[in-house]
Amino acid sequence: QKEVEQNSGPLSVPEGAIASLNCTYSDRGSQSFFWYRQYSGKSPELIMSIYSNGDQEDGRFTAQLNKASQYVSLLIRDSQPSDSATYLCAVYDYKLSFGAGTTVTVRA
Amino acid sequence: DVKVTQSSRYLVKRTGEKVFLECVQDMDHENMFWYRQDPGLGLRLIYFSYDVKMKEKGDIPEGYSVSREKKERFSLILESASTNQTSMYLCASSLSGGRGFEQFFGPGTRLTVL
Repeated sequence: QKEVEQNSGPLSVPEGAIASLNCTYSDRGSQSFFWYRQYSGKSPELIMSIYSNGDQEDGRFTAQLNKASQYVSLLIRDSQPSDSATYLCAVYDYKLSFGAGTTVTVRA
Repeated sequence: DVKVTQSSRYLVKRTGEKVFLECVQDMDHENMFWYRQDPGLGLRLIYFSYDVKMKEKGDIPEGYSVSREKKERFSLILESASTNQTSMYLCASSLSGGRGFEQFFGPGTRLTVL
């Protein structure tokens, strides 16, 4: 079983809609959770970090963590064409493990 | 400005060649990492280092070795390149800490082994 699994996508949403990305992880000892964004041909860059159960908001992005269910999600509100990218879920426990990524396309 | 640089953006090598990929960071970070990225498989950790002259195996170390002689430099070595090592290689660095800190990535090296 893969350590970090993401909904496979691709995900296509209209401009202004909410994009919802999901991630599950297998290691209950995981301490920290991250969402990275990767534009085509570019390197990943961090957009959200979350460490405790609940919601973490930053602008149009909200990360949600449920450790009991071993589940992390990312919501992108008011999606813009510039949000079109691959989103990588990453889980930290001594080392960082990445999911395969979900590609999001925002239709203008 | 935070910066991680990698020696080449594109590299073409022959099967059996010894290949060196260099990574340099200017942020005084303790931790450095080498990943490879393949379609559908995401980022997979090859090796990492939490201090100078220290290295630890990641999830897929077979066929690779690393060297960290200075804090700012982390080298990935393919002792005898094979076609299944054709991939995008990404270097990253971060501060140390129990919670795990943001990893800053270099631009990547696309390696093709013929």
